[in-house]
Amino acid sequence: GENVEQHPSTLSVQEGDSAVIKCTYSDSASNYFPWYKQELGKGPQLIIDIRSNVGEKKDQRIAVTLNKTAKHFSLHITETQPEDSAVYFCAASKGGFQKLVFGTGTRLLVSP
Amino acid sequence: KAGVTQTPRYLIKTRGQQVTLSCSPISGHRSVSWYQQTPGQGLQFLFEYFSETQRNKGNFPGRFSGRQFSNSRSEMNVSTLELGDSALYLCASRRDEELFFGSGTQLSVL
Repeated sequence: GENVEQHPSTLSVQEGDSAVIKCTYSDSASNYFPWYKQELGKGPQLIIDIRSNVGEKKDQRIAVTLNKTAKHFSLHITETQPEDSAVYFCAASKGGFQKLVFGTGTRLLVSP
Repeated sequence: KAGVTQTPRYLIKTRGQQVTLSCSPISGHRSVSWYQQTPGQGLQFLFEYFSETQRNKGNFPGRFSGRQFSNSRSEMNVSTLELGDSALYLCASRRDEELFFGSGTQLSVL
């Protein structure tokens, strides 16, 4: 079955710096790659997603890139702010109603 | 529109007991998924229900079971609790491919 690896497990940056979180997946049939953000005491919330027919997608300060050949996808956050501090999860699925397989999470800490 | 509601928020049980967790999805959502979250393991998929039928299943032992009612509300049951079952159990309802998570039930097994 699908396996998703995520790195790093923790990431500390200064406010205004950029942050990059990387994931790899194992199943070449996966075609949907969302990113979820989990704030303290809350459930994860979708922040951005990308499909296998697209190489990059941006939404304001966040962007996701996908390399299908290498089976890598990454989350990029620019101009980080303290409110970006949270746990971020990548995930992969074969689309439709297939289950989402999550990575192990990255705890991002943005210091003022 | 109300979000996904999970009850109870916290639960403390002892080894060998059983527990039932409840989840009410967003109105109109017919799919409910359950995940176990532990430090270092991320989100592990338990199962998904759609229209009262289990549609997907993860790799958990048979002690973990679930069901869905005609109003789309779902329950998850864990029998013969073990210390390793201590975790945050998250429920999510689904619209297309997007999951909407509740805040979870924090289960502690002593």
